[in-house]
Amino acid sequence: AQSVTQLDSQVPVFEEAPVELRCNYSSSVSVYLFWYVQYPNQGLQLLLKYLSGSTLVKGINGFEAEFNKSQTSFHLRKPSVHISDTAEYFCAVDMNTGFQKLVFGTGTRLLVSP
Amino acid sequence: DAGVTQSPTHLIKTRGQQVTLRCSPISGHKSVSWYQQVLGQGPQFIFQYYEKEERGRGNFPDRFSARQFPNYSSELNVNALLLGDSALYLCASSLDSRGSVSPLHFGNGTRLTVT
Repeated sequence: AQSVTQLDSQVPVFEEAPVELRCNYSSSVSVYLFWYVQYPNQGLQLLLKYLSGSTLVKGINGFEAEFNKSQTSFHLRKPSVHISDTAEYFCAVDMNTGFQKLVFGTGTRLLVSP
Repeated sequence: DAGVTQSPTHLIKTRGQQVTLRCSPISGHKSVSWYQQVLGQGPQFIFQYYEKEERGRGNFPDRFSARQFPNYSSELNVNALLLGDSALYLCASSLDSRGSVSPLHFGNGTRLTVT
């Protein structure tokens, strides 16, 4: 079965430091990849997506991610985080099955402290 | 433009009862999907509807059903509620039925508590 693994359940980091949130997926077919952010008591907001083409994808709020097909990874990075980046981050995969079904990881809580 | 709107925002039900959750997609979006997010987990796919037809269904029991109306709004129904149905139910809309064409836009969800 297809799956998405976010190895880190929580990542603490100081303000203005760089951060990387890891995501690995398992699939034998081509996939579409997404990162979503969830603030407390809210729904999910799309940060960025990879459909095809360049493996380095830039998103909103200064985030970027790199698709690595050989390692089946799609890690999220930001060179300098802000307090306001504190939230839950979800990696998701669309298995391109003909209808739109996202498989989500269990999430990584990013905690930014001053 | 208004985003995806869901109602109610919160509700409390008793085991065995039935519940209906409602969703209005972004204007112009024809696809609506439903996800269940249990506390501490990632969202899990329940249904996708496109042009009023079910396009996909996740691994949920038949107690879960949904429909999409001509104006593309949608309802999710859950019968015979169990304690394990307590979760945040997220509705998402997109322009098309395929992820390659348009991504999902999520609402803020309905928090269902079953006692």
